[in-house]
Amino acid sequence: QSVLTQPPSASGTPGQRVTISCSGRSSNIGRNTVNWYQQLPGTAPKLLIYSNNHRPSGVPDRFSGSKSGTSASLAISGLQSEDEADYYCAAWDDSLNGHVVFGGGTKLTVL
Amino acid sequence: QVQLQESGPGLVKPSQTLSLTCTVSGGSLNSGSYYWSWIRQPAGKGLEWIGRIYTSGSTNYNPSLKSRVTISIDTSKNEFSLKLSSVTAADTAVYYCASTYDSSGYHDFWGQGTLVTVSS
Repeated sequence: QSVLTQPPSASGTPGQRVTISCSGRSSNIGRNTVNWYQQLPGTAPKLLIYSNNHRPSGVPDRFSGSKSGTSASLAISGLQSEDEADYYCAAWDDSLNGHVVFGGGTKLTVL
Repeated sequence: QVQLQESGPGLVKPSQTLSLTCTVSGGSLNSGSYYWSWIRQPAGKGLEWIGRIYTSGSTNYNPSLKSRVTISIDTSKNEFSLKLSSVTAADTAVYYCASTYDSSGYHDFWGQGTLVTVSS
C-alpha cells in the first residue's frame, strides 16, 4: 500500500489530453513539493516534472503538473504513442524523521 | 551531466547482507546542493525509496527499512554505498542509485539499475 495514491491505469487516444491524479496527506503533499517520474518499459525512471510544475530541460511542454492542497495532477496533452509508460508521483514526507514517499504508479496506455 | 553506475553482487543468500556501490561521474559528491539516494523496484511493482545520504554523512531512511539499512559515502572515491542486512526474497528487486537535488527534492539523475536476487 503506497503512501501516495494514484490510479493504477489510465488511457487515451493519440492527440487526447489525459490526467493522472496523486493524492496524499498534510505531511507530504500538503507541505512539500511534488515530483513526477516517467518510466518507459525496461528503463530507469526519468524526472518528468519537479517542484509541482517545472519541466527539466528536454521534457516537452505537453507535460504539465499542478498541486492543490494534498493532491497533485500530471497532465499530458497531445498524447503520443511514445508516452505509453508508467508514471509515478513522489514527495517528501515530514513524518518519522523525514523520508520520500512514492505513489504506486499509473500505467498509461495509448490506444 | 552527472552519471551514476550501480555495482555489486547480483545474487545474495537469504539472511545475508546485500551490498551495493554507486559510482558517480561528471559531478562531485561534495556538491552542497545534492543528496545521494537509493531506490528499489521489485519486478512488476512500483518504486520504493530506501534512503539517502548527504555529503556530511547525514542520512534519512525509509522507516520500514531503517533497522536493516546503512548508507555510507566516500567522497574521495566519489561513490556511495548501500548495505541491507538480513535479506529475504522480498528484497529481490532492481536497485537504483540517484542524485537528489535539495533537501525535499527530486531525483534528477538515475543509474541504470542493478538486479539483486535473494535466493539460496
